[in-house]
Amino acid sequence: DAGVTQSPTHLIKTRGQQVTLRCSPKSGHDTVSWYQQALGQGPQFIFQYYEEEERQRGNFPDRFSGHQFPNYSSELNVNALLLGDSALYLCASSYGINYEQYFGPGTRLTVT
Amino acid sequence: GIQVEQSPPDLILQEGANSTLRCNFSDSVNNLQWFHQNPWGQLINLFYIPSGTKQNGRLSATTVATERYSLLYISSSQTTDSGVYFCAVGSEKLVFGKGMKLTVNP
Repeated sequence: DAGVTQSPTHLIKTRGQQVTLRCSPKSGHDTVSWYQQALGQGPQFIFQYYEEEERQRGNFPDRFSGHQFPNYSSELNVNALLLGDSALYLCASSYGINYEQYFGPGTRLTVT
Repeated sequence: GIQVEQSPPDLILQEGANSTLRCNFSDSVNNLQWFHQNPWGQLINLFYIPSGTKQNGRLSATTVATERYSLLYISSSQTTDSGVYFCAVGSEKLVFGKGMKLTVNP
C-alpha cells in the first residue's frame, strides 16, 4: 500500500521564478492538503482540495495556487518566488475532508 | 483561529526515562493528531485521537476534548525516540503547535 508521495525531493529556484510541486495521495484517499514548514516552525496550512475544488485556504497570497486532478493527485504552484518561500512543502492526504491526515516526505524548496 | 500550545518546548532525557508532552488548544475540534518528525522532515503519524485514550507499544495518548487538552506519554524512552513531536488540531485543516524537541541520551 503506497503512502503519500511527493516530487521532486529538493528544488533550487531563483527569486522571481515559478515552481510546481506534485503530490500523489495514499491509495483510497480523495482529499489533499498542502502545508508549508519554515525552518524551526510547525507546518502551516496552505489549502485543501476535495472533488477537484479548493475547499479551504490558509493565510497565503494568491501567488500560491493549486489543482487537483480526477485521479486525486494534486499540484502546488508558486509564482514570483520570494526568498521567504524557502521551506519544506508537505502534502497530506485523507479519506474525506475531516479525517486523519497522512503526510508525504515533503519537497524542500530553496529560493536564491 | 484555533491556537495550539505545546509544552515543554524542549526535553532532554536519559534512555529508559518516561515523559509526558502536553497540548492545549483553544476551541473544540473534530481532529487531533500527534506526529513525530524525523530528521529528514517526514511526519510520522503517532495517534489520531480527537477524544479518549489510545496505546501503541510504549506510547499512549489521552485527549480530554471538554477541557481542550491532549497528553502524549512516552515510556522507557529510547534514543530512536529523539526528534520533534507535533500536536495538530482542527476540523478540516490542521493547525500545528510549535513542536517539542525531544533528545534521548544513551
